[in-house]
Amino acid sequence: GAVVSQHPSWVICKSGTSVKIECRSLDFQATTMFWYRQFPKQSLMLMATSNEGSKATYEQGVEKDKFLINHASLTLSTLTVTSAHPEDSSFYICSASPGHEQFFGPGTRLTVL
Amino acid sequence: AQSVAQPEDQVNVAEGNPLTVKCTYSVSGNPYLFWYVQYPNRGLQFLLKYITGDNLVKGSYGFEAEFNKSQTSFHLKKPSALVSDSALYFCAVRDGDSSASKIIFGSGTRLSIRP
Repeated sequence: GAVVSQHPSWVICKSGTSVKIECRSLDFQATTMFWYRQFPKQSLMLMATSNEGSKATYEQGVEKDKFLINHASLTLSTLTVTSAHPEDSSFYICSASPGHEQFFGPGTRLTVL
Repeated sequence: AQSVAQPEDQVNVAEGNPLTVKCTYSVSGNPYLFWYVQYPNRGLQFLLKYITGDNLVKGSYGFEAEFNKSQTSFHLKKPSALVSDSALYFCAVRDGDSSASKIIFGSGTRLSIRP
């Protein structure tokens, strides 16, 4: 199957700093990628749809100025958590689809101190 | 709007026994249904999907799911559980069949298989 990678796999940062997470489709091109966050023992909540060459589409309740998404190429989308706070600590997962099936990255665990 | 419901937070089964993890869905058009499994601190692994065709769908690791249109259900099943099947299982529905279609996840069911 297709491969989606994320970097870093885990990150610890101080409150008030910004953190960038990368999502790459390794063996296919993805005009659309998706970003999810998952709190411990909870489900994945769709945050936004990342669109190559245009603005991301955010789900209701997700602050677009807080979670900046850039999809500058057909294989890379980035999520930047700006001015991170402890409540932003979570597991962030991206996904992309070459067709019918969606493939998920391994996730990035963000811990904000 | 589409949605999926997983009524059980946890399912406990003895090894070797059959298992069922329940899922019901709500969609306005044709359902595109999926099951994923997640191991601790890992991403999601695809198990199986229903797009069209036979109501009984066979997937990875011996899992299967039965699509029931009248009951709007898509329960995950396995004839004989393994301890290694212990994980978090998500049912999901997609709002279309293109690469731009969003996936919405159920709340998840933790499956625990005791030796």
